[in-house]
Amino acid sequence: EDQVTQSPEALRLQEGESSSLNCSYTVSGLRGLFWYRQDPGKGPEFLFTLYSAGEEKEKERLKATLTKKESFLHITAPKPEDSATYLCAVQARASNSGYALNFGKGTSLLVTP
Amino acid sequence: NAGVTQTPKFRVLKTGQSMTLLCAQDMNHEYMYWYRQDPGMGLRLIHYSVGEGTTAKGEVPDGYNVSRLKKQNFLLGLESAAPSQTSVYFCASSFRDNEQFFGPGTRLTVL
Repeated sequence: EDQVTQSPEALRLQEGESSSLNCSYTVSGLRGLFWYRQDPGKGPEFLFTLYSAGEEKEKERLKATLTKKESFLHITAPKPEDSATYLCAVQARASNSGYALNFGKGTSLLVTP
Repeated sequence: NAGVTQTPKFRVLKTGQSMTLLCAQDMNHEYMYWYRQDPGMGLRLIHYSVGEGTTAKGEVPDGYNVSRLKKQNFLLGLESAAPSQTSVYFCASSFRDNEQFFGPGTRLTVL
């Protein structure tokens, strides 16, 4: 059974204090690993898709990396507007649910001035 | 483009009442999904559709029905609401296995 575990559950950073969020996964053949950002009261907003080990993608202060067992979302010099819940999800190659995503529980990030 | 829209945004039901949640997308996506999000549980798939006129069960389908009569719309129905169905419901759509685009959600409370 596919599993996605995110850590830590919550993270508090000071503005400018870089850190990383972890997403470890087990899946029977990875088609893709997705990162989303979710603000309170809103739907998840797509950030990145990673397809193979060694792949990296960047967007502003965020950089996502992928290994065969986990993905990291690195946040460099965060600002208060980066505060949100970050969700990781995997898409299995042999899924019997269309191309549905299997989500982790998320990491709640708070960046204080 | 509006992307993915959901109606209503909020709803309160009494146990046993029925309702339909509407999802609409204007991106011409074939695939559409309904998820529910509960505290400490993450997003879980209820039902999905791979095209107009087709639907299939996801991880937690019991107590829900769906219909996809038009490509751009995906309806989620609760025939007899239960308190366990209190949740936030999200609709999403995608082009095949590409990233899914999510709607703003419907917050449902069943008393």
